[in-house]
Amino acid sequence: DARVTQTPRHKVTEMGQEVTMRCQPILGHNTVFWYRQTMMQGLELLAYFRNRAPLDDSGMPKDRFSAEMPDATLATLKIQPSEPRDSAVYFCASGLTGNEQFFGPGTRLTVL
Amino acid sequence: SQQGEEDPQALSIQEGENATMNCSYKTSINNLQWYRQNSGRGLVHLILIRSNEREKHSGRLRVTLDTSKKSSSLLITASRAADTASYFCATDNYGQNFVFGPGTRLSVLP
Repeated sequence: DARVTQTPRHKVTEMGQEVTMRCQPILGHNTVFWYRQTMMQGLELLAYFRNRAPLDDSGMPKDRFSAEMPDATLATLKIQPSEPRDSAVYFCASGLTGNEQFFGPGTRLTVL
Repeated sequence: SQQGEEDPQALSIQEGENATMNCSYKTSINNLQWYRQNSGRGLVHLILIRSNEREKHSGRLRVTLDTSKKSSSLLITASRAADTASYFCATDNYGQNFVFGPGTRLSVLP
């Protein structure tokens, strides 16, 4: 049963610290998405990769956020330095171009 | 307003009744997708309808798409308490961007 996995599931950190979230997409999928979900803003697209190349990261604050795919089995989202307003649930999803996305369970980030 | 807006924002019905949610969007699309999210969980894909399709069924779900009105509807028939969740529509603009709406919170009362 192929699934998208995300680590860690929960992260509590202090303002100013670096946070790294990891995602393992489903083997064979060529698109990877990072989303952030908050009560106020809903579900926001942060970054979108196709065949490991970044296609759209316009939703991501460039000064502190970065997203990479070092290889086909790993996508990372880093926040440095983190701020309290970054507290949210971060979802990774993968899929095939033009088809449905499969979501991971999310990383719940709390920045104190 | 944003691409892929669901309406209503919240819906409360009795078990056994039908639930209808609507989605409007602004730009041309390749396909439109509906997802469900249970509290504290990731989104689960329900159904995908392509721009050249007008209606699609999956079990108790029926989705329609009207590209001339840039709108879609999701009908859940014979609702169950387990259908209680948030429902999102998402538009795929030929792989160039992918936008989720704010969602409809559905409560099905036993």
